[in-house]
Amino acid sequence: ETGVTQSPTHLIKTRGQQVTLRCSSQSGHNTVSWYQQALGQGPQFIFQYYREEENGRGNFPPRFSGLQFPNYSSELNVNALELDDSALYLCASSWGNRGRNTGELFFGEGSRLTVL
Amino acid sequence: AQSVSQHNHHVILSEAASLELGCNYSYGGTVNLFWYVQYPGQHLQLLLKYFSGDPLVKGIKGFEAEFIKSKFSFNLRKPSVQWSDTAEYFCAVNPHDGNQFYFGTGTSLTVIP
Repeated sequence: ETGVTQSPTHLIKTRGQQVTLRCSSQSGHNTVSWYQQALGQGPQFIFQYYREEENGRGNFPPRFSGLQFPNYSSELNVNALELDDSALYLCASSWGNRGRNTGELFFGEGSRLTVL
Repeated sequence: AQSVSQHNHHVILSEAASLELGCNYSYGGTVNLFWYVQYPGQHLQLLLKYFSGDPLVKGIKGFEAEFIKSKFSFNLRKPSVQWSDTAEYFCAVNPHDGNQFYFGTGTSLTVIP
């Protein structure tokens, strides 16, 4: 067990809807990253949060947004859902120093989103 | 753009066979390197990592990997696989000048008893 918990584990939405995914980071970690893993692919970086601020973003449109809270937990919000957003969304926590990852990522089990 | 290539998409081995999974990356700067494993129904977990120093690193469950800088490679090896090694294996690269981890597409390993 990594100590990183995600909710919900599975959800189904329809095109155009909005979704919020949640993540509690491992104790002692101050950095949370979100990754999208499509079927048959490796995880793709969405963004990272360090001390409540976005600290790096991958090639995802603005309708993907996030938050980090003072307890270092995080949310991923996706607006105007598209069919291609169907994927496993992974949260990973880590320890960062001045916004820079200093080690490995610790992953949660993911939230599987299906968009119909 | 940085990329990570895993040459083997599906590998099937018998127990006690030796394993080598290839990983190459395209990035000219300094990187941290990782192998992650995902057992059926479980989360991604770290097998081993390389930050600096000895290019031959040892991880959990008898796995090891060798960093060859000139070849931009970080291949994973195990001398004798077990049925319990059946899983998906991902190579990942974290450039020192950024926070993003770049993952390969993964290799599905099936070990036949």
